Amino acid sequence: GEDVEQSLFLSVREGDSSVINCTYTDSSSTYLYWYKQEPGAGLQLLTYIFSNMDMKQDQRLTVLLNKKDKHLSLRIADTQTGDSAIYFCAERIPGSARQLTFGSGTQLTVLP
Amino acid sequence: KAGVTQTPRYLIKTRGQQVTLSCSPISGHRSVSWYQQTPGQGLQFLFEYFSETQRNKGNFPGRFSGRQFSNSRSEMNVSTLELGDSALYLCASSPGGDNEQFFGPGTRLTVL
Repeated sequence: GEDVEQSLFLSVREGDSSVINCTYTDSSSTYLYWYKQEPGAGLQLLTYIFSNMDMKQDQRLTVLLNKKDKHLSLRIADTQTGDSAIYFCAERIPGSARQLTFGSGTQLTVLP
Repeated sequence: KAGVTQTPRYLIKTRGQQVTLSCSPISGHRSVSWYQQTPGQGLQFLFEYFSETQRNKGNFPGRFSGRQFSNSRSEMNVSTLELGDSALYLCASSPGGDNEQFFGPGTRLTVL
């Protein structure tokens, strides 16, 4: 079945690193995505990783994928107040065209 | 390159009415997907269109329908509106194939 889980809240201090975690259940997932949503806005694609990769780094963002545990994480280095938002992980299942299954989102709050 | 545009941005309707939402994908993109976002159910896939053909459909009643035109613009229609249809409706644009999807700002529909 398809189910993506995330913790609901995360608070960090400005300048610290944030780690947002996600677990998924479909081992045949091809692509896994991270999106950011600010209040009143749509979804902004941050990064994505193909399922045959273990890690992907893009400036302040690092994605780690543990296929054995079906665990995905997004690390944001030097977190800023502008990073405060809801972060969604999503998976794409083979054979489902471009349908994405989203987690419930993690509300990241960056404290000054 | 212009991003994904959705019109209108806000809409207020009453129960029983019908509504049409529009999405213009990024130039050159042929795939448009639609999602419904509510506080209770989160982000749920409605359907995807590619080259004017519906490729995949989520678990929504037949009151929800869509179409895609030859210029890749897409519309979704909801008939006989219910209070529970109040949501943010997001569309996502993709070139097709195994590519990332980019979301528009959404249309906020309120049903009274």
